[in-house]
Amino acid sequence: EVQLVESGGGLVEPGGSLRLSCAASGFTFSNAWMTWVRQAPGKGLEWIGHIKSKTDGGTTDYIAPVKGRFAISRDDSKNTLYLQMNSLKTEDTALYYCTTLSYSSSDYWGQGTLVTV
Amino acid sequence: QSALTQPASVSGSPGQSITISCTGTSSDVGGYNYVSWYQQHPGKAPKLMIYEVSNRPSGVSNRFSGSKSGNTASLTISGLQAEDEADYYCYSYTRRSTLGVFGGGTKLTVL
Repeated sequence: EVQLVESGGGLVEPGGSLRLSCAASGFTFSNAWMTWVRQAPGKGLEWIGHIKSKTDGGTTDYIAPVKGRFAISRDDSKNTLYLQMNSLKTEDTALYYCTTLSYSSSDYWGQGTLVTV
Repeated sequence: QSALTQPASVSGSPGQSITISCTGTSSDVGGYNYVSWYQQHPGKAPKLMIYEVSNRPSGVSNRFSGSKSGNTASLTISGLQAEDEADYYCYSYTRRSTLGVFGGGTKLTVL
């Protein structure tokens, strides 16, 4: 069974930092492109960034509002995805999901971790 | 502002059929068969309902179907049930960017 479990959310003051983690199991994590999606209270889903598998270069992409402040990384030896968030703003308040987000049926989501700035 | 346009809300009575549209451009929805649809109930994670325009993952009811015409993809739910009341989001591949984008979401109300 595929599982994605996010952790690390919490209450932080503007300008502060948080690191979110996403523990993956039930699939070959090292082969997966992993994505972070967030959802502000009462709002829609927002794709914020992804990291490719190492075999595909391991590169990252981010939306403009978080570029330079957020960094996605992965530890394939621990099957864990990370989201380092710096210089947090009130508009970053949201539920943060990690997901395998693909165009196929291999599409899995965690339950999310809440970040309040 | 989403690059994919969905109606903010739709509604229908139990047993009826409804359709939710997702309009993009020839660079995304119209140019590729990589459109997905997600259902999200309050307080829950999104759930994949349709992928590659019209394919249903295992376990998803056949009351859910997807299609595409030109630059607009559609999600149709037939035989509406109370449990279908949720938010629905489309997602599409786009060649304009390496970034992903969701539609703005549609709130389905079952009357």
